[in-house]
Amino acid sequence: DSGVTQTPKHLITATGQRVTLRCSPRSGDLSVYWYQQSLDQGLQFLIHYYNGEERAKGNILERFSAQQFPDLHSELNLSSLELGDSALYFCASRGGTNYNEQFFGPGTRLTVL
Amino acid sequence: TQLLEQSPQFLSIQEGENLTVYCNSSSVFSSLQWYRQEPGEGPVLLVTVVTGGEVKKLKRLTFQFGDARKDSSLHITAAQPGDTGLYLCAGGSNYKLTFGKGTLLTVNP
Repeated sequence: DSGVTQTPKHLITATGQRVTLRCSPRSGDLSVYWYQQSLDQGLQFLIHYYNGEERAKGNILERFSAQQFPDLHSELNLSSLELGDSALYFCASRGGTNYNEQFFGPGTRLTVL
Repeated sequence: TQLLEQSPQFLSIQEGENLTVYCNSSSVFSSLQWYRQEPGEGPVLLVTVVTGGEVKKLKRLTFQFGDARKDSSLHITAAQPGDTGLYLCAGGSNYKLTFGKGTLLTVNP
């Protein structure tokens, strides 16, 4: 158990809909990273938040947005969903003995029908 | 753009065999992490290497960071079915990780 929690575990929805994925980092970690993992693209970095502020953006679509709240949990909002958005979504929190180490949650499997 | 290439992409071996997987980049990283991921679960951190030429051992797994900090290898001795999974390397720089696409290892009993 990494200490990072994500809900829900599975999400099935239809095209055009909007969903919210939730993540709580490890106790004491201020950073949250969001990733998308699909079979053909591998693990793709989406966005990074540190103590409530956006720090870096990766390959995140304009239909997607995220925020980190004062209690440090984070939400990833996906809107106008398309079939191609079906993937595993992971969040990770940064900590450990090396400043680059990230610890991943169990993920949310999103299926868009 | 920093890219990490992992090879081989797929590897299927028998229990008891040794194997090595590789992670290569044209970029220099300040650290390199190896993760193992099982189907439907999140990647689990195995090791972090930070110094060029560094070697770390974790039971039957040996990790090496290249002298120039651009590449790394993972060697598994006497593989067991429990080693089955997707092995991902990730280069760290400026608080960000760049992941390779992974090596999918299957160890058959």
